Amino acid sequence: GENVEQHPSTLSVQEGDSAVIKCTYSDSASNYFPWYKQELGKGPQLIIDIRSNVGEKKDQRIAVTLNKTAKHFSLHITETQPEDSAVYFCAASWDYGGSQGNLIFGKGTKLSVKP
Amino acid sequence: KAGVTQTPRYLIKTRGQQVTLSCSPISGHRSVSWYQQTPGQGLQFLFEYFSETQRNKGNFPGRFSGRQFSNSRSEMNVSTLELGDSALYLCASSLHWWTGVENEQFFGPGTRLTVL
Repeated sequence: GENVEQHPSTLSVQEGDSAVIKCTYSDSASNYFPWYKQELGKGPQLIIDIRSNVGEKKDQRIAVTLNKTAKHFSLHITETQPEDSAVYFCAASWDYGGSQGNLIFGKGTKLSVKP
Repeated sequence: KAGVTQTPRYLIKTRGQQVTLSCSPISGHRSVSWYQQTPGQGLQFLFEYFSETQRNKGNFPGRFSGRQFSNSRSEMNVSTLELGDSALYLCASSLHWWTGVENEQFFGPGTRLTVL
């Protein structure tokens, strides 16, 4: 089955610096790659996603890149702010009887942004 | 628009008991998925329901079951609880279950289950 590996597990940056989180997936059939942010005591919140027919997507300070050949995708956060501190999860899913409900998640990256 | 709600938020049970967790999706959403989150295993998919039918199931024992009602609300049940079932159980709702459509999953805050 699909397996998603995420690195690093912890990341500490200074406010204003950039942060990069990387994920690799094993199943070449995967076609949807969302990123979630989870703050303490809350459920994961979708921050950006990308589909396999796109190589890059950007939303203000957040961008995601996808390399289908290498089977990896990355989250880039620029000009980090203290409120970006949270746990970030990457995920992958694929067509399975027409459903994309079964997301496979990476183990998460705890991002700390120091003022 | 109200988000995904889960009840109860916290629950303490003892080994061997059973538990039922409830999830109310965002109004208009017809698909509900359940996930288990633990420090060791991370986020793992349990099952997905759409139109009262289970569409997908993760790799969990039969002690874990669920159902969905006609109003899209969903419940999950865990029987014969084990210590290892202690986890945050998350519910996510989305509009559809088929691909090719923008189908963001919105997560609830979760139910923290502790098994003693």
